[in-house]
Amino acid sequence: GAGVSQTPSNKVTEKGKYVELRCDPISGHTALYWYRQSLGQGPEFLIYFQGTGAADDSGLPNDRFFAVRPEGSVSTLKIQRTERGDSAVYLCASSPLRSGAFFGQGTRLTVV
Amino acid sequence: AQSVAQPEDQVNVAEGNPLTVKCTYSVSGNPYLFWYVQYPNRGLQFLLKYITGDNLVKGSYGFEAEFNKSQTSFHLKKPSALVSDSALYFCAVRDIGPRGNEKLTFGTGTRLTIIP
Repeated sequence: GAGVSQTPSNKVTEKGKYVELRCDPISGHTALYWYRQSLGQGPEFLIYFQGTGAADDSGLPNDRFFAVRPEGSVSTLKIQRTERGDSAVYLCASSPLRSGAFFGQGTRLTVV
Repeated sequence: AQSVAQPEDQVNVAEGNPLTVKCTYSVSGNPYLFWYVQYPNRGLQFLLKYITGDNLVKGSYGFEAEFNKSQTSFHLKKPSALVSDSALYFCAVRDIGPRGNEKLTFGTGTRLTIIP
């Protein structure tokens, strides 16, 4: 597709469960970012991939959060033992090297 | 660390009037500043950016922003507001990660409502 695609668009899960959120970046974009947007807040940086490796994971809140990008394209954000405070919109963005970022529509995660 | 502040949570403007959405920044070094817009159930869309050069930056949908170094501001403006401009607007600044990677630090957002 033409833009960054995120699936699912909405996810409701029970506290304590494991979830995976998927991001398909724009073809050819080497840089991929995950951000989290809580209600009433601006997006907050979580992790950055350059190619397959996580070059900067300084924004991940704790070790329940993990992300992979095994082939340098699609990325998956994984959250273990979800908590109600994890409820937010998770945004993915991709960009060519040293250029502006293009954002997906986000996945709205609700932990009940 | 780099940061931006958006002092207004909500801005209401009558259709056809000029609009301003405020943003101030705090950075070390030269600022790289951005404006993004978020429509309901849609992702963030890039509007414009300032890196260097002319202090008045023109962007998408008729928006522009004025970089003011002395006031550390980067306000978003449009001469004549449209109802379709109603959305959530975010100011952002480029930050550099531990491995030299770029990332964005966003403000808390300003909800702009254009009144017909």
